[in-house]
Amino acid sequence: GAVVSQHPSRVICKSGTSVKIECRSLDFQATTMFWYRQFPKQSLMLMATSNEGSKATYEQGVEKDKFLINHASLTLSTLTVTSAHPEDSSFYICSATSTANSYEQYFGPGTRLTVT
Amino acid sequence: QKEVEQNSGPLSVPEGAIASLNCTYSDRGSQSFFWYRQYSGKSPELIMSIYSNGDKEDGRFTAQLNKASQYVSLLIRDSQPSDSATYLCATRNYGQNFVFGPGTRLSVLP
Repeated sequence: GAVVSQHPSRVICKSGTSVKIECRSLDFQATTMFWYRQFPKQSLMLMATSNEGSKATYEQGVEKDKFLINHASLTLSTLTVTSAHPEDSSFYICSATSTANSYEQYFGPGTRLTVT
Repeated sequence: QKEVEQNSGPLSVPEGAIASLNCTYSDRGSQSFFWYRQYSGKSPELIMSIYSNGDKEDGRFTAQLNKASQYVSLLIRDSQPSDSATYLCATRNYGQNFVFGPGTRLSVLP
C-alpha cells in the first residue's frame, strides 16, 4: 500500500518551454501532497505544499508563477515548470500523506528534468 | 528556524557490523520522527517511523528516540553492502511540514 507514482520519470526540454509533472497516489487518498527539488549531492528542498481544492503554499524563494501547482483531486497533483531554464534542471520528487494516516509521508519515484 | 542535523559522513562500516546513524532536531514540538533511505538517483524510501520515547525495532533496523535530548538514531544490524545509501532523518510537528536533515551517507564495505 501507499504507492505514489510520478510521470514522466525523465524529461528533456528546451529552454523556454513548459513541462508538466504528474503525481498520483495509487492506492490511497492523499490529504496533502508535497513537491521537493533535489540538486546533485544535496538534500531535499521543499518547494510547496498542496491540499486538494486549495491553493498551494510555496516555500520562501520559490516562484509560484514559475512553478504552477494544481491539486485537482485527492489522488492527483501536478507541477508545471513554466518557461524552463537550464538552472531548473533537477530531480523533482512529490510525496503524499494519506487521509488515513497523515503522520507518514510517501514519496514518488521522482522526475529528472533536464533543460537544454 | 526548525532544523534537523545529521553528520554528512561518509560513515564506513564493514559488512556484518552495526551501523549507527544519529540525528538531532531543534523543534521541541516535533511529534513524529522518520528515517528514510535514499539510493543514488532514486527517491527516498520510508524505512522507520517512531513517535514515542524508547526503541522501535523492525527487522535489522532499530530506531531510538529521546525527546528530552532531541535526539533520534537508527541502528542497522548485520549491515550489508545493499544498505549503502544516504539516510535522511525527518521530523514533523503535527499539521506542519516535514523537516529533513541533510542526510548521512553510509558505505558498507564487503
